[in-house]
Amino acid sequence: TQLLEQSPQFLSIQEGENLTVYCNSSSVFSSLQWYRQEPGEGPVLLVTVVTGGEVKKLKRLTFQFGDARKDSSLHITAAQPGDTGLYLCAGFSGNTPLVFGKGTRLSVIA
Amino acid sequence: DAMVIQNPRYQVTQFGKPVTLSCSQTLNHNVMYWYQQKSSQAPKLLFHYYDKDFNNEADTPDNFQSRRPNTSFCFLDIRSPGLGDAAMYLCATGVGAGSPLHFGNGTRLTVT
Repeated sequence: TQLLEQSPQFLSIQEGENLTVYCNSSSVFSSLQWYRQEPGEGPVLLVTVVTGGEVKKLKRLTFQFGDARKDSSLHITAAQPGDTGLYLCAGFSGNTPLVFGKGTRLSVIA
Repeated sequence: DAMVIQNPRYQVTQFGKPVTLSCSQTLNHNVMYWYQQKSSQAPKLLFHYYDKDFNNEADTPDNFQSRRPNTSFCFLDIRSPGLGDAAMYLCATGVGAGSPLHFGNGTRLTVT
């Protein structure tokens, strides 16, 4: 069974701080997706990474896919209250549907 | 805008009383998924359709059934809801295996 472990599970920070959340597995994934889910809504795709070592930037968010394609990180610079939400990573290995991690619940306090 | 719409947003049902949740999409995606999400847990895949081909996850209880009468609509039937079935139910669509998912806003089911 493929598992994606996300850490930390909960994170509460002040506006303007930087943070990094992690998504780790012992399995290799051909691609990995990050979603953000706000309370009462469905997850919304932020980015897909497919190449080992790949780095993608989305405004203040930087996503990295590990060289071995087993892990990924999301770094947020100068966090804002609008960044509050549940961050989910999901991996695809080619023979099963997407596998989701449990998520990191981020709270940014103004 | 093309989207995935779930109805109702909130559903209250009694223990053992059948309930149906609906999902429609205007994206014309051929893959549709149903996920169950409980508090502080990952979305758990219940089943998915590739076009009309139905794929049931091995650990999805028999109590859960699904129908996809056409490309646009998909239904989740819970035949005899138990208290443990209270959760957010998310519908999602995609263009193929591993493609990014487009989620609806979910139906929050309460079982009394």
